[in-house]
Order: sequence, then C-alpha cells, then structure tokens
Amino acid sequence: KQEVTQIPAALSVPEGENLVLNCSFTDSAIYNLQWFRQDPGKGLTSLLLIQSSQREQTSGRLNASLDKSSGRSTLYIAASQPGDSATYLCAGRGHYQLIWGAGTKLIIKP
Amino acid sequence: DAGITQSPRYKITETGRQVTLMCHQTWSHSYMFWYRQDLGHGLRLIYYSAAADITDKGEVPDGYVVSRSKTENFPLTLESATRSQTSVYFCASISIRGAEAFFGQGTRLTVV
Repeated sequence: KQEVTQIPAALSVPEGENLVLNCSFTDSAIYNLQWFRQDPGKGLTSLLLIQSSQREQTSGRLNASLDKSSGRSTLYIAASQPGDSATYLCAGRGHYQLIWGAGTKLIIKP
Repeated sequence: DAGITQSPRYKITETGRQVTLMCHQTWSHSYMFWYRQDLGHGLRLIYYSAAADITDKGEVPDGYVVSRSKTENFPLTLESATRSQTSVYFCASISIRGAEAFFGQGTRLTVV
C-alpha cells in the first residue's frame, strides 16, 4: 500500500532563505507526483506536477524534483517570502487516486 | 467561469438531515473525486468517478452517496448526516490518469 510521508511537519525560517521540503513514498509505481499549497481555510492550489518519466519541474521560485528509485521528491523554494507561508502537500498518484502526505506547515518570518 | 466549483461553500445542518454538496467542472474531465479533510487525518477519498455513470468507493464511503449522470457534475449526498461528518469537503477532477488534479475551493460542512 502506497504511503506518503512529509518531513518536516513544520518549518519556520527568516525571509530570504532558500529551503527544501521533503516528500517520500513507499511504492515507486506512481504515475506522477503533485505538490499543492493550502492557505488556512482555503482550497488546494496545484503548484507543480512531475510525471513519472520526468526528474524535475520548475515554476518561478519553485523547483520540484522526483527520484522514483529512492522514493523521494523535494520542493525547493528560493528566496522565500512571507507570502509563501502556507501548508505544502505532496501527493502521489496511483491508478486513479492521490495518496497524500500530511503536509509541511511553512512559516516565513519577515 | 472555467474551472471546478463547489456549492455551497458553507453549510450547517442538523443530525439526521439529508444534504447534498454540489461539484461542477467545465473542462469535461473524465475523473472526478470527493475528499474530506479533517485534522489528524489529512485528505481521505470518499468516492470517485471515472466517467459518467461510473462511480466507485474510496477509503471512507460509509454514509455517503454519489451520482454522475453528466460528465460535468458530481454531487455528494449525505443520506442522514451525523456529527462525525462535520468536515471540509473537496471535489477534484483530472482529465486522464496521469494528468494534473484540480480542486474546488471546498465546502465546510457542520453537522449539529
């Protein structure tokens, strides 16, 4: 059974720092891995999607990597800003459904 | 507006009442999903649908009913609401199996 783990559960850093959020999964047979952002009381916003055949995707200050052999994905945020404060979720896709990590709550201090 | 929309955004209902949460997507995506999000449990799949008239149970289907007579709509019905169904409900869709998933803004349901 696929399990997804996110480390750390919470992270607080000063503005301007580069940071890495980690996501690990137990079953390498995933179709893709998707990173989401969720602001308090809000819905989920898709940030990046990495197909199983890809190794990384970039969008602005965000870069996500995927290593299926080790069962890991990372989300790199460059030059963090207070507006990046949110909970970040990763999800691996099996045949039809997403398997979710518990999220990393990120706080960027001004 | 293009996208996936849920209604209502907020709902308070009494124990034992039937309530339906609506989900509508404008892309004609094949797959649609209902999740609930609770503190300590994260996101859990309730039901999903691979196409019109094709639905199947997810991880926590008890107490819920779905239908999908049209590709764009995927309503979720709580047949007799219980306090344990107080949660935030999210609808999602994807076009094909490996595609990006998009989520609605959620429905916050409180059962009193």
